[in-house]
Amino acid sequence: SAVISQKPSRDICQRGTSLTIQCQVDSQVTMMFWYRQQPGQSLTLIATANQGSEATYESGFVIDKFPISRPNLTFSTLTVSNMSPEDSSIYLCSVRQGTNTEAFFGQGTRLTVV
Amino acid sequence: RKEVEQDPGPFNVPEGATVAFNCTYSNSASQSFFWYRQDCRKEPKLLMSVYSSGNEDGRFTAQLNRASQYISLLIRDSKLSDSATYLCVVNTNAGNNRKLIWGLGTSLAVNP
Repeated sequence: SAVISQKPSRDICQRGTSLTIQCQVDSQVTMMFWYRQQPGQSLTLIATANQGSEATYESGFVIDKFPISRPNLTFSTLTVSNMSPEDSSIYLCSVRQGTNTEAFFGQGTRLTVV
Repeated sequence: RKEVEQDPGPFNVPEGATVAFNCTYSNSASQSFFWYRQDCRKEPKLLMSVYSSGNEDGRFTAQLNRASQYISLLIRDSKLSDSATYLCVVNTNAGNNRKLIWGLGTSLAVNP
């Protein structure tokens, strides 16, 4: 399985600011994803990060709020823009090598917006 | 109906007990299935894939019933370290929509 490094591991941010989360994989991966997990909830897919093109967003998530970059097959960033307390959550980077394969996760970023 | 539904839990069992988790899914086109384990404040980690013929990994047994759209996970001889949340995950390949659908999870507490 791939080794996935995600940072920062946690942050406390002021409302109205933005935070960029980085995800680095030790090998090339086909698919990269960004999830959000709110307290007591399961994982919600934010978007699929596409290499060299715009990310594919799920219903309820938009590029202006969650811009995503994926410049190559080993790296992606997620920015949480103009944060509000409702954005407080765990954000997880995930990778898969194929459409029927399992997913692996970074350690997550625990974000608190005050 | 939710796309993936799990037992609500929580399950509290003594060490050594056998415990079973159930999961149903709504999309008959789903093609692959997984059980993940998530410890408190940690990322989900793959416990096992679920194969059509059923599969076993030590104390863990996973079963799939496509006709009933039902997945199960059986844990035998529970250990304290099995305490975690268990997530049922279904991979849906329907047209161009290919993504993992996550259950809400079932919490397990194994008590001494």
